[in-house]
Amino acid sequence: DAGITQSPRHKVTETGTPVTLRCHQTENHRYMYWYRQDPGHGLRLIHYSYGVKDTDKGEVSDGYSVSRSKTEDFLLTLESATSSQTSVYFCAISGGTGYADTQYFGPGTRLTVL
Amino acid sequence: QKEVEQDPGPLSVPEGAIVSLNCTYSNSAFQYFMWYRQYSRKGPELLMYTYSSGNKEDGRFTAQVDKSSKYISLFIRDSQPSDSATYLCAIIIQGAQKLVFGQGTRLTINP
Repeated sequence: DAGITQSPRHKVTETGTPVTLRCHQTENHRYMYWYRQDPGHGLRLIHYSYGVKDTDKGEVSDGYSVSRSKTEDFLLTLESATSSQTSVYFCAISGGTGYADTQYFGPGTRLTVL
Repeated sequence: QKEVEQDPGPLSVPEGAIVSLNCTYSNSAFQYFMWYRQYSRKGPELLMYTYSSGNKEDGRFTAQVDKSSKYISLFIRDSQPSDSATYLCAIIIQGAQKLVFGQGTRLTINP
């Protein structure tokens, strides 16, 4: 398995509170991604990073921010959580070699916003 | 219209059956085609990927791409209960670094 961990694995929070999810990799891969997975929508890209301090938006970035200060860590922050952000969040990494750009996924974080 | 369409199922078949999973896509610039398998409460794992039109085999799994019809398929032969999972197609434009996923098809193989 690719060396990807996510923390926390489960979290319950209340509407309006800030939440930070962490993704940590030991593969030294350049690219890191945050997705959310919801029934009927599949996996949707929130933000991704192509290097330290280099990030870009995905298709569902509203309400989320990210930071990457080290190669191995990619943080996803919900500044003020809403019930619509209840979801399963997956981090993924890829080497960005230009061939197939295979992405490897972490185990996921299940977030519930009450 | 979504860029990648996949029937979410659920699909339930008896053990030993041949399973066919399919996706259609709209962007002719897509060049790499992947299938991920996701067990319940786990992250997706890469099953197969292919670049060209035609078939690619890996054990009991065959990935098929028809670029002229913008149609991709995954066939599972001699299906086993351990194949029960959600299967997601994913497509990428070369060098784009961003995958576009189908919704996923939930498959159950009944013993």
